[in-house]
Amino acid sequence: SQTIHQWPATLVQPVGSPLSLECTVEGTSNPNLYWYRQAAGRGLQLLFYSVGIGQISSEVPQNLSASRPQDRQFILSSKKLLLSDSGFYLCAWSGGKTGLSTDTQYFGPGTRLTVL
Amino acid sequence: DAKTTQPTSMDCAEGRAANLPCNHSTISGNEYVYWYRQIHSQGPQYIIHGLKNNETNEMASLIITEDRKSSTLILPHATLRDTAVYYCIVRVGNFNKFYFGSGTKLNVKP
Repeated sequence: SQTIHQWPATLVQPVGSPLSLECTVEGTSNPNLYWYRQAAGRGLQLLFYSVGIGQISSEVPQNLSASRPQDRQFILSSKKLLLSDSGFYLCAWSGGKTGLSTDTQYFGPGTRLTVL
Repeated sequence: DAKTTQPTSMDCAEGRAANLPCNHSTISGNEYVYWYRQIHSQGPQYIIHGLKNNETNEMASLIITEDRKSSTLILPHATLRDTAVYYCIVRVGNFNKFYFGSGTKLNVKP
């Protein structure tokens, strides 16, 4: 079966500090990977998606960047955090060689980031 | 760019059916309707999806109108654990990018 991991689960960072959130998927190969952000009381905003190693598409211009150094690893980064970067960050995967519908996305447990 | 409209909140009595509506009047012919739910502070959970036929699985049923401009998610026997925000999503474009709206907060009451 497939599983998706995110860490850390929670993070408190000062304004101006760097950020690195990691997401890994097990049990599949060549998945599509996604990063979403959810502000308090709001819906999910798609930030980045990737169809393969080194291939990143950005949905919203912002203070964040994403990288995919390995097939099943997706990293969200920032050089200098802003207060507005606070939120719940979710990683998701879809597709891959699993036999599942290539369109359904499956979400990780999320990372709650607070920037002070 | 959510492309869907849902009521902000709904109440349902425990044990009764919960019917959650969604309008997607600009849906294209090859776009699927997906439903997810999010329990507080957790990642969204996939429920069901469909194109034009009604669908049923162990969690819920999805009823899509003939013109595909709206759909209804049915939880046949709601329990307190079904209290969550339910998102109706229409896939956009050639790639499966999902745009989440604000969803419907379903409150299941004893």
